[in-house]
Amino acid sequence: QVQLVQSGAEVQKPGASVKVSCKTSGYTFTDNYMHWVRQAPGQGLEWMGWINPNSGGTKYAQKFQGRVTMTRDTSISTAYVELSRLRSDDTAVYYCARLSSGRTLDHWGQGTLVTVSS
Amino acid sequence: SYVLTQAPSVSVAPGQTAVFTCGGNNIGSKRVHWYQQKPGQAPVLVVYDDSDRPSGIPERFSGSNSGNTATLSISRVEAGDEADYYCQVWDSSSDNYVFGTGTKVTVL
Repeated sequence: QVQLVQSGAEVQKPGASVKVSCKTSGYTFTDNYMHWVRQAPGQGLEWMGWINPNSGGTKYAQKFQGRVTMTRDTSISTAYVELSRLRSDDTAVYYCARLSSGRTLDHWGQGTLVTVSS
Repeated sequence: SYVLTQAPSVSVAPGQTAVFTCGGNNIGSKRVHWYQQKPGQAPVLVVYDDSDRPSGIPERFSGSNSGNTATLSISRVEAGDEADYYCQVWDSSSDNYVFGTGTKVTVL
């Protein structure tokens, strides 16, 4: 079965960077785009962007342009999101989510809590 | 940028039907997907392409989409349906994926 397993919780200081991983199994990693979505405490879902694991091509939401980098390692079927110049309002749960052929996010990771605090 | 608007909350008695909407400019021309999120859990797809259900999702969940409003209905509501529900579309003009603001469903 399809599984997306994310790395553990992180605590970072303002101005630092954080990198979250999403290890996949149960399907061919390069067949599906991987999206990243975050959710601040008590807030809604916010789309961050996607990576094409086959080509490495990316698309970022304008809000995160210049601060976010999405990468992948096809040898271990893992996607990454890195957010730099962290601020307190980046405190959120970060999810990876697989895009199905029908443009739905059909499988999600369990989420990674990133806390930004001095 | 494209905006999807949802009512913040809906309350419904067990056994009744919950209906909540997702408003967007000419949303009827887009494919709408709905996700259920229970506290402390990742979202789960419950309806895709306006009205289709993934395998394992009960027939009690149904959707429609026309004009400026998409609708998700849950018939014969159960306590286990209590969750936040988000609509989502792909906006082709910006190539962005957009989520609605979410509706919290409370089962009385």
